[in-house]
Amino acid sequence: GEDVEQSLFLSVREGDSSVINCTYTDSSSTYLYWYKQEPGAGLQLLTYIFSNMDMKQDQRLTVLLNKKDKHLSLRIADTQTGDSAIYFCADQGNNRLAFGKGNQVVVIP
Amino acid sequence: DTAVSQTPKYLVTQMGNDKSIKCEQNLGHDTMYWYKQDSKKFLKIMFSYNNKELIINETVPNRFSPKSPDKAHLNLHINSLELGDSAVYFCASSQEGGFLTGELFFGEGSRLTVL
Repeated sequence: GEDVEQSLFLSVREGDSSVINCTYTDSSSTYLYWYKQEPGAGLQLLTYIFSNMDMKQDQRLTVLLNKKDKHLSLRIADTQTGDSAIYFCADQGNNRLAFGKGNQVVVIP
Repeated sequence: DTAVSQTPKYLVTQMGNDKSIKCEQNLGHDTMYWYKQDSKKFLKIMFSYNNKELIINETVPNRFSPKSPDKAHLNLHINSLELGDSAVYFCASSQEGGFLTGELFFGEGSRLTVL
């Protein structure tokens, strides 16, 4: 869980879809997570996927997991201004959550 | 009711001073954490306590000393503050070490600025 890589910045128009990507190294993680951090706030768990699943849909959120490539993505459909935040993926190894560097999403009205 | 609350929210101090950040959770969780978020938003775990016992202690200078008087509180004391300690410090808590679902509940953060 030490090396969780994410890209940094994404701007998207309101109503469009946004996709955030992440690669992780700890293949022993049972779960992989997406957390959201709004400005001036702490992180909140957004969704998670069990490691033996390829896909999980949760309302406007779709999580895709490619275990072979250790690649995790989060798709937000119909992006809204309230989705503007930093998104962190995290894996679970050595009894702790290791977070990626975060991806800032800015939604343009 | 705030689930995980930290005080102070902002702290500005001079190099060399000693300061503390307090954290309390009212969720009845067994495990509490301190994370440090740097200026690039990178979030790194510092410490974790389970039922007042230290279970994770990352490579953190020993100027940082966590204290857990009971399982609802985890305070962070920092001695001889350095410029590089400037960051946002987040307290978090989870049930059962968060191993099952990995859900951590975070406080709003304490922004420490060392001048």
